[in-house]
Amino acid sequence: QVQLQESGPGLVKPSETLSLTCTVSGGSINSYYWSWIRQPPGKGLEWIRYMYYTGTTNSNPSLKSRVSMSIDTSKNQFSLKLSSVTAADTAVYYCASGYDSLFQYWGQGVLVTVSS
Amino acid sequence: QSVLTQPPSASGTPGQRVTISCSGSGSNIGSNSVNWYQQLPGTAPKLLIYSNNQRPSGVPDRFSGSKSGTSASLAISGPQSEDEADYSCAAWDDSLNGPVFGGGTKLTVL
Repeated sequence: QVQLQESGPGLVKPSETLSLTCTVSGGSINSYYWSWIRQPPGKGLEWIRYMYYTGTTNSNPSLKSRVSMSIDTSKNQFSLKLSSVTAADTAVYYCASGYDSLFQYWGQGVLVTVSS
Repeated sequence: QSVLTQPPSASGTPGQRVTISCSGSGSNIGSNSVNWYQQLPGTAPKLLIYSNNQRPSGVPDRFSGSKSGTSASLAISGPQSEDEADYSCAAWDDSLNGPVFGGGTKLTVL
């Protein structure tokens, strides 16, 4: 059973960079596609970016210019960076495994608040 | 504003059949499979229905899904109190080249 766990600061200042890491256990990161998805308070889910361990990747066009993602196969981890954050980026951020729109495994989520 | 459109709320009694709709367009639901997620309060989404109408192992058979054209539906036959949750639809979007989600429907069991 694959398990995912997000980690990172819960508070980020406006204009700074949000950085999160997802640790994968119970499976190899050299399988599946890996994604970041967020959910603003009281709103629906929004896909951010996906990546395959080979480097194949794609981003939501609305966030593409601010998002980067990387995979560390030696640590079985993948990471997200979102730059120039504003209050609109306040959300619960989830890491998930899957491709297309089928996400079989999810992390528990981490609330990131953008505030000074 | 979510790409896929769902009603914000739905309700029903254990003796009823509740349906939740999900409306999209030709670039998403019209040309790709639909998946449904259940999100219990304060928890991460859980895959409930995949490929329009398939249930993962462990999902009760009172949950079913269907798709027609650019719309999809989730049906719950005889909802139980433990089914009170938010339900979201999702589909790949060929224009976005990524997945899109509905805004979620909150189910209340009366």
